[in-house]
Amino acid sequence: AQSVTQLGSHVSVSEGALVLLRCNYSSSVPPYLFWYVQYPNQGLQLLLKYTTGATLVKGINGFEAEFKKSETSFHLTKPSAHMSDAAEYFCAVSDIQAGTALIFGKGTTLSVSS
Amino acid sequence: GAGVSQTPSNKVTEKGKYVELRCDPISGHTALYWYRQSLGQGPEFLIYFQGTGAADDSGLPNDRFFAVRPEGSVSTLKIQRTERGDSAVYLCASSFLGDQVSEQFFGPGTRLTVL
Repeated sequence: AQSVTQLGSHVSVSEGALVLLRCNYSSSVPPYLFWYVQYPNQGLQLLLKYTTGATLVKGINGFEAEFKKSETSFHLTKPSAHMSDAAEYFCAVSDIQAGTALIFGKGTTLSVSS
Repeated sequence: GAGVSQTPSNKVTEKGKYVELRCDPISGHTALYWYRQSLGQGPEFLIYFQGTGAADDSGLPNDRFFAVRPEGSVSTLKIQRTERGDSAVYLCASSFLGDQVSEQFFGPGTRLTVL
């Protein structure tokens, strides 16, 4: 069965610092991978997704993620954090065997200090 | 255009009562999903509609939960004999095609509290 593990339920960075949010997945077939962001009192918003092709995926707001099959990872990064990046981030996976539903990790709350 | 909307935004009910939660997907989206998000957890899949039919209901926890989408647009999630453990945020999402790579657009959710 598919699963998603997000290491670190809470990550704190200073404004301007590198953001690294970790995601590892398990899937028996090639997965599709997603990162969603949830701002307070708002719905989940897609940041980026990996389906096929280039393993480095660029998303909105300067975020990017790299699919590493050998490490079963899809870590999310941003070179320089901004105060507005403070939110909860969810990694999700789907694959052809399990239908189209997304399997989410437990989420990582990102705090950004000035 | 309008995004996914859900009503009510908050629902407080007593144990044993019946509740209905409504989802209005983005116009033209054929696929509709329901997820449940408990405190400190990521969303968990409940049910997926393609058009009017439930294509996958494997995530419904038990037979107290039921969902319909009679005209292929609006969907209602129905919970009978609510229990305190049903308290969570119920999320609805829609996508254009409903395949693995189509973006799912999420609504703001309905926060259900069962007293």
